[in-house]
Amino acid sequence: NAGVTQTPKFQVLKTGQSMTLQCAQDMNHEYMSWYRQDPGMGLRLIHYSVGAGITDQGEVPNGYNVSRSTTEDFPLRLLSAAPSQTSVYFCASSQDRGRPYEQYFGPGTRLTVT
Amino acid sequence: AQSVTQLGSHVSVSEGALVLLRCNYSSSVPPYLFWYVQYPNQGLQLLLKYTSAATLVKGINGFEAEFKKSETSFHLTKPSAHMSDAAEYFCAVSEGNNFNKFYFGSGTKLNVKP
Repeated sequence: NAGVTQTPKFQVLKTGQSMTLQCAQDMNHEYMSWYRQDPGMGLRLIHYSVGAGITDQGEVPNGYNVSRSTTEDFPLRLLSAAPSQTSVYFCASSQDRGRPYEQYFGPGTRLTVT
Repeated sequence: AQSVTQLGSHVSVSEGALVLLRCNYSSSVPPYLFWYVQYPNQGLQLLLKYTSAATLVKGINGFEAEFKKSETSFHLTKPSAHMSDAAEYFCAVSEGNNFNKFYFGSGTKLNVKP
C-alpha cells in the first residue's frame, strides 16, 4: 500500500492564480480530510468528506473548494490564491465505522503564494 | 466546539530524562484523544489514542498518556528520553458526537540534549 499520497510536494503561486492539490489513498478509507499547518497554530481542518459525494466544512474553509467523486481521491482547489494561504497542507484518511479511528497523513504539500 | 491547549511550544530535556508534554482539552461531550508525532518535513503519525477504554494508554516508542477527566488533561510522558524522540508533538481531540472532526493543539517541539 502506498497509503496517502499528495502531489505536488512544493508549489509557488502568484496571487490570484488557481490550482488543485491532489490527494489519493489506497486503503479504501471512507473518511478523508484536508488540514493546513501554520507555525504556532497546529493543524486546522479545512474540509472533510465521509464518503464519495459527501463533503463538509471544517474550521477554516474559506477560499478552498473540495469534491469527492471517488473513494480514493479528494482534491483541494484554490480558486484565487492569496498570500494568507501560504502554508503546508496535509491530507489525511481514516476508516469511518462508527468509531474514531486514527487518521493516516500524507507527506504534505508546501505552498507559497507571492 | 472543542479546543486543545498544549502548554509549552518548546520543551528541552536531557537524554535519559523524563519527558512530559502537557495537553488540556475542552469538550462538552466525551472526547476521543490522540497524540501524534511529526518528524521534520514529514506527515504526522499516531503515537497513541484514548477512546474511552483504559485511562492509561500506552503507545509506540515507550510513550504513554493518562486521561484525567477531572483535570480535562491528557499529558504525554516517557520515562527516559532518547535523541530520536526529538520531534514536534501534537495533541488532538475529536468530538464525541462528530468524531470525523479532529481539533489539534498548536504543538510542542521536543529537543533532546545529549
